Amino acid sequence: TQLLEQSPQFLSIQEGENLTVYCNSSSVFSSLQWYRQEPGEGPVLLVTVVTGGEVKKLKRLTFQFGDARKDSSLHITAAQPGDTGLYLCADYSGAGSYQLTFGKGTKLSVIP
Amino acid sequence: GAVVSQHPSRVICKSGTSVKIECRSLDFQATTMFWYRQFPKKSLMLMATSNEGSKATYEQGVEKDKFLINHASLTLSTLTVTSAHPEDSSFYICSATGLRGDTQYFGPGTRLTVL
Repeated sequence: TQLLEQSPQFLSIQEGENLTVYCNSSSVFSSLQWYRQEPGEGPVLLVTVVTGGEVKKLKRLTFQFGDARKDSSLHITAAQPGDTGLYLCADYSGAGSYQLTFGKGTKLSVIP
Repeated sequence: GAVVSQHPSRVICKSGTSVKIECRSLDFQATTMFWYRQFPKKSLMLMATSNEGSKATYEQGVEKDKFLINHASLTLSTLTVTSAHPEDSSFYICSATGLRGDTQYFGPGTRLTVL
């Protein structure tokens, strides 16, 4: 069974600061996905990365996928209060599988 | 596109009653739907996978007689929590995949509180 570990578990920073959160897998990712979830809402897909070494940017968010496809990071530049939420990484459980396995998430609080 | 809705968004019920939660794909046909539960400050835990017209596949430790799932059409799946107890209080989230099955679209969740 694949295990996804996310760190840190909690992060509280001031508006304008930069931050990085991490996701590590016990096995090679099939198709890594990052989500953001706000309280009382479902997760919203931010990005999907598939290729080792891949870097994707989404405005102030930069996603990196490790060469070995077992780790990933999410870097946020100049964090804003609107970035507050639970950041989850997830992977499909296996080739041809539609099931997602989620990490425990990083709870980010950006203080104005 | 790819919008998934859930109803109700919040429900409070008495212990021993049954509660039905609906999950609808609004603008696409969902061949597969998933049901998750999420405890406070915890991640999503998959409960079951359902395909239209067939029985749901439950994850280990999830009681299928307690959490009844029906996926009667390509746009609707329902989760019924039977004889609910306070420990069933949780945030229930559904997701759906279309014909390509490469992306899960999540609903907004249903907060269930059992008194």
